[in-house]
Amino acid sequence: EAQVTQNPRYLITVTGKKLTVTCSQNMNHEYMSWYRQDPGLGLRQIYYSMNVEVTDKGDVPEGYKVSRKEKRNFPLILESPSPNQTSLYFCASSSRARGFSEAFFGQGTRLTVV
Amino acid sequence: AQRVTQPEKLLSVFKGAPVELKCNYSYSGSPELFWYVQYSRQRLQLLLRHISRESIKGFTADLNKGETSFHLKKPFAQEEDSAMYYCALSGTGGFKTIFGAGTRLFVKA
Repeated sequence: EAQVTQNPRYLITVTGKKLTVTCSQNMNHEYMSWYRQDPGLGLRQIYYSMNVEVTDKGDVPEGYKVSRKEKRNFPLILESPSPNQTSLYFCASSSRARGFSEAFFGQGTRLTVV
Repeated sequence: AQRVTQPEKLLSVFKGAPVELKCNYSYSGSPELFWYVQYSRQRLQLLLRHISRESIKGFTADLNKGETSFHLKKPFAQEEDSAMYYCALSGTGGFKTIFGAGTRLFVKA
């Protein structure tokens, strides 16, 4: 089954404790992105990757890092989480192989930083 | 500046009534426009895209370049349409997608 898988689904952590949220897709998509979803603000892009070893900042990259060492994986790293990073996070992948793009989303990771 | 605006945070209609979710965009170029839907406790999924001009679950959306709008419409709303709807825009290249703030549609019995 074609899908995007995020782990963990829920995470509560303390300020300053480094964490990683994993994202994996099995569709051989070139493009992967991370978004955060906050009430009233919709989805805001954190980072995106056009392909292996190619990443770029989205609209709200501060406090986050990403890496793309393999095509299928795109982990999101919070080196020193702060309470304002409490949010619902979504990973997405897409491809333009068929001439148009459609994003496939993971099931989301609800992060609480206390 | 690239922007997607969904002016309504919440839209409540009765079952069987027509529904229109508004979306306006700002983009200097030829964007691709999408509607994504998020049902309760489910992940976001693509509802429809302007390029294919299709009707999905009775919903349609027409790209109006003059008014820079991409409103989502359905003539007769159903209870199962209750969900969060996001309008989205992708520019050239297609990977940097901008989402609107979303509109929560509530269809009452």
